Formats: sequence, C-alpha cells, structure tokens
Amino acid sequence: EDQVTQSPEALRLQEGESSSLNCSYTVSGLRGLFWYRQDPGKGPEFLFTLYSAGEEKEKERLKATLTKKESFLHITAPKPEDSATYLCAVPPEGGSEKLVFGKGTKLTVNP
Amino acid sequence: DAGITQSPRHKVTETGTPVTLRCHQTENHRYMYWYRQDPGHGLRLIHYSYGVKDTDKGEVSDGYSVSRSKTEDFLLTLESATSSQTSVYFCAVGGYRVNTGELFFGEGSRLTVL
Repeated sequence: EDQVTQSPEALRLQEGESSSLNCSYTVSGLRGLFWYRQDPGKGPEFLFTLYSAGEEKEKERLKATLTKKESFLHITAPKPEDSATYLCAVPPEGGSEKLVFGKGTKLTVNP
Repeated sequence: DAGITQSPRHKVTETGTPVTLRCHQTENHRYMYWYRQDPGHGLRLIHYSYGVKDTDKGEVSDGYSVSRSKTEDFLLTLESATSSQTSVYFCAVGGYRVNTGELFFGEGSRLTVL
C-alpha cells in the first residue's frame, strides 16, 4: 500500500499563475515529511523538512505546509525556472534513516 | 555539493550478464542508499548502508546485492541482469542530519538491459 500519494501527476501553469501541489501520507506516527525538487537528468535536491501539523517552511516562491494527513507545496507567482518534478517523502513505519518517496508532480511553467 | 560520484553514468548490457554500479562519496557520510527510478513508480529503495559492512534491504531488493567495504564506496551488483532491471539508479548519502530527511543524491546511472 502506497504510503505517500502525490497529486496531480502533472501540472502546467503560466508564469505568475500560483497553485499548489498535494502530498498525502498514511504513515502513522509521522516522523517528518520532506520535499525534494528534481530537474530532468539530475538527482533529487532537498528542499524542506516539516515535522508537525501547522508547520510552514518557505524558500523563494515555494511554501510547504503540513496537516495531520497531507502536505501542500504552494508555488506563488512561478517562473519558468521553477519547472521540475517535485517529490515528497516520509520515513516508513519503523525506520527513520530511510525514505519512502511519492511518485512526484511534474510542474511545467510556461513563459 | 556532497561529493557524490556514480559510475558508470550510462551502461547497456545484455540479459544474464553481471553489472556493478559504484557510488563514491568524499564527505564521509555514514548512510548510503541505492534507489531506482522508473516511470509510474517513482523512487524506490533497493538497499542501504548504515556503516562499513552494515547493510539492509529496501523495498525492491530482489536480484540486487550491495557491499560497503570502505566508508566512501557503496557498490550495487546485479548478479544476472534482467530487462526488468532497466532503470535509472540513484545513489544517495546522508549524514548526521539524516533524520531531517536531508539526503544528497548523485547524478544517476542509466542502465539498459537488452
């Protein structure tokens, strides 16, 4: 059973058009939720860690939030350089030093 | 830059041949991981290591073995490659901040099994 589900699978935005990506999880006793960015042909790059419901983290045009069942990655006034696949991950039950990744959301921002 | 080098970056091989992928790191991180990434499946953990000679299985470990004889090197071996092992393989490393989810990934190794 998937522990991490991301939606939508793909999202196309116009430059400046704000939107949100979703990551829902089923792991009980969450020990953190993590967001990564992956550019084509590259390995994922760490963005944020969220630990508790209500927590928010920001980086440039990105803001990640966490509730008890899901996390959102809000993208405000995106630019073409924000185009990438965004991955979320959680530690599986019983293990905190390894991560289970969602399938990702491929974001395309058109100029 | 976490000083991670994967080799080879690209490899084409035939079914039944052995293949070894190498991950080399320069930062002495304790944890090292091998993931595979496939369309429709995302990143899946194959094996990981939490120290020299200390390894454990991930969710898709069948058909793969690993070894870590030195802190800086983590080898992934496909004893007899199959077409289902065609994939992009990523090495990742994590240090004292691994519990924060902060892993550093290599550039990937694209393996094609004909």
